[in-house]
Amino acid sequence: EAQVTQNPRYLITVTGKKLTVTCSQNMNHEYMSWYRQDPGLGLRQIYYSMNVEVTDKGDVPEGYKVSRKEKRNFPLILESPSPNQTSLYFCASSLSSGREAEAFFGQGTRLTVV
Amino acid sequence: EDQVTQSPEALRLQEGESSSLNCSYTVSGLRGLFWYRQDPGKGPEFLFTLYSAGEEKEKERLKATLTKKESFLHITAPKPEDSATYLCAVDSWGKLQFGAGTQVVVTP
Repeated sequence: EAQVTQNPRYLITVTGKKLTVTCSQNMNHEYMSWYRQDPGLGLRQIYYSMNVEVTDKGDVPEGYKVSRKEKRNFPLILESPSPNQTSLYFCASSLSSGREAEAFFGQGTRLTVV
Repeated sequence: EDQVTQSPEALRLQEGESSSLNCSYTVSGLRGLFWYRQDPGKGPEFLFTLYSAGEEKEKERLKATLTKKESFLHITAPKPEDSATYLCAVDSWGKLQFGAGTQVVVTP
């Protein structure tokens, strides 16, 4: 079954404690991205990757890092989380950069930073 | 500044009561407009792509249309399983921008 898998689904952490949210896709997609979703603001792109070892900033990259060492995996790293990073996070993948909107999304990770 | 605005924020319908959702946009260089469905606790699910004014796409009870300044998602004779949040997004020069969504509840 084609899918994008994120882990964990729920996470509560304390300010400053480094964390990683994993994302894996099994569709051999080139393009992957991370979004955050906040009430009234819609989905906002954090980072994206057009292929292995190629990553770039989205609209709200501050406080986040990513890496793309393998095609299937695209982890999101928060080096020093702060309460304003409390949000619902989605990983997405699509066939290529020209079709990034036709994306498969993961189930989401609800992060709370206290 | 590019903007994508969806209205209404929430919509409550009786089963069978057709209605329309609106997505208005002010962007330069529209390359495409997209509709998604999002169920509670899940990620968005891609529905449609529209590229040019006058274009229409249909899927079951959903029909999306596009003009130069807005898109409509028409829900015909909705069923309770059509309850979800519907998101639209626009691609402006390679940058995808989402609206905040319309939450639709269809009651039996």
